[in-house]
Amino acid sequence: DADVTQTPRNRITKTGKRIMLECSQTKGHDRMYWYRQDPGLGLRLIYYSFDVKDINKGEISDGYSVSRQAQAKFSLSLESAIPNQTALYFCATSQAVEADTQYFGPGTRLTVL
Amino acid sequence: QKEVEQNSGPLSVPEGAIASLNCTYSDRVSQSFFWYRQYSGKSPELIMSIYSNGDKEDGRFTAQLNKASQYVSLLIRDSQPSDSATYLCAGQNTGNQFYFGTGTSLTVIP
Repeated sequence: DADVTQTPRNRITKTGKRIMLECSQTKGHDRMYWYRQDPGLGLRLIYYSFDVKDINKGEISDGYSVSRQAQAKFSLSLESAIPNQTALYFCATSQAVEADTQYFGPGTRLTVL
Repeated sequence: QKEVEQNSGPLSVPEGAIASLNCTYSDRVSQSFFWYRQYSGKSPELIMSIYSNGDKEDGRFTAQLNKASQYVSLLIRDSQPSDSATYLCAGQNTGNQFYFGTGTSLTVIP
């Protein structure tokens, strides 16, 4: 079984809809991250969390919110999706003792029409 | 200046040659540096991390860090067609945020 899983893997939705992307991990890591990847722009950090009570904004948090329901679960929400949020979304985990080596999930391809 | 910058390529090398990938970073990124490989449609996977000035070798891969010049490089020796992928450079700041470059596309020609 994969250590970092993301659901759904693909999603097509319409402008204005609320969308939740979920991430679960079995690695026992404290730190979890959400990124989006766009052609020509690379990976950009949306939010990150170092433990259940710690949530931090990343480079591009506007239009997104997150919830750390448990150490192993970190969800990303788009309250009202817009077309420029069409992207490939990755969840990642890390553990400080490994000098923050990040392990990525398989990604969620989101299309907002 | 973006926090981490890479030449997007594409970079093409013949099989067996040395591939050289480069990355520069800004003053906002100072802690640790990472090279990830990403195959098309897949998630990034870590190749190497480097924290100190100098070279770090792991098999066919060598990472080089020069903090005075603010650049990080990755050398791939004896390049193989299976090395064809996009290589992402990443840096971490003191606030534990990660910044990724846009990636360099590498093609190894058989």
